[in-house]
Amino acid sequence: QQQVKQSPQSLIVQKGGISIINCAYENTAFDYFPWYQQFPGKGPALLIAIRPDVSEKKEGRFTISFNKSAKQFSLHIMDSQPGDSATYFCAAPNQAGTALIFGKGTTLSVSS
Amino acid sequence: GAVVSQHPSWVICKSGTSVKIECRSLDFQATTMFWYRQFPKQSLMLMATSNEGSKATYEQGVEKDKFLINHASLTLSTLTVTSAHPEDSSFYICSARPAYNEQFFGPGTRLTVL
Repeated sequence: QQQVKQSPQSLIVQKGGISIINCAYENTAFDYFPWYQQFPGKGPALLIAIRPDVSEKKEGRFTISFNKSAKQFSLHIMDSQPGDSATYFCAAPNQAGTALIFGKGTTLSVSS
Repeated sequence: GAVVSQHPSWVICKSGTSVKIECRSLDFQATTMFWYRQFPKQSLMLMATSNEGSKATYEQGVEKDKFLINHASLTLSTLTVTSAHPEDSSFYICSARPAYNEQFFGPGTRLTVL
């Protein structure tokens, strides 16, 4: 049973543009929402995470926006660069709260 | 900080043999470690949760006798793929949790079974 639904599956953005990836979750008990970045052949790296007591968190060019009423959270990458080309995964705790369950991923390509 | 290592980074083995993959948290203690499996262009699938000093908890559909997990210390967990077959070929990734919900991932191990 999928608990996080991620979209789009793939995204092409011009250099300098804004990349937006969305995730919808089902379990209202979730209290931790991370985004991971993965390059081919590498493990996922924690990019940024948010807890539901805030609506937005910004770290450099990366921002998480959180909409508790809609049960959605999104990743915004400002001034996208070719080096940002990777697969991005949203995640949320499983129902037991013991592990992270991942969305299906978004492959981002930033063209120069 | 929060560095997780895996060894080996890649391994090729013959069908029927067993392979052990090590996962270490280098700069923190992790009472809980996780093992994921990832097929090409797919998401990470949780295989099992490993707690130090106790038996691992396997996800539904994961064969515990094929994927043996041992969490011997607060910094080491091992995954042994027993009697490996070509369908076990995959990218295996571990993660470790230093605090509630945060998880940091290792670089992964590419297993190819011939």
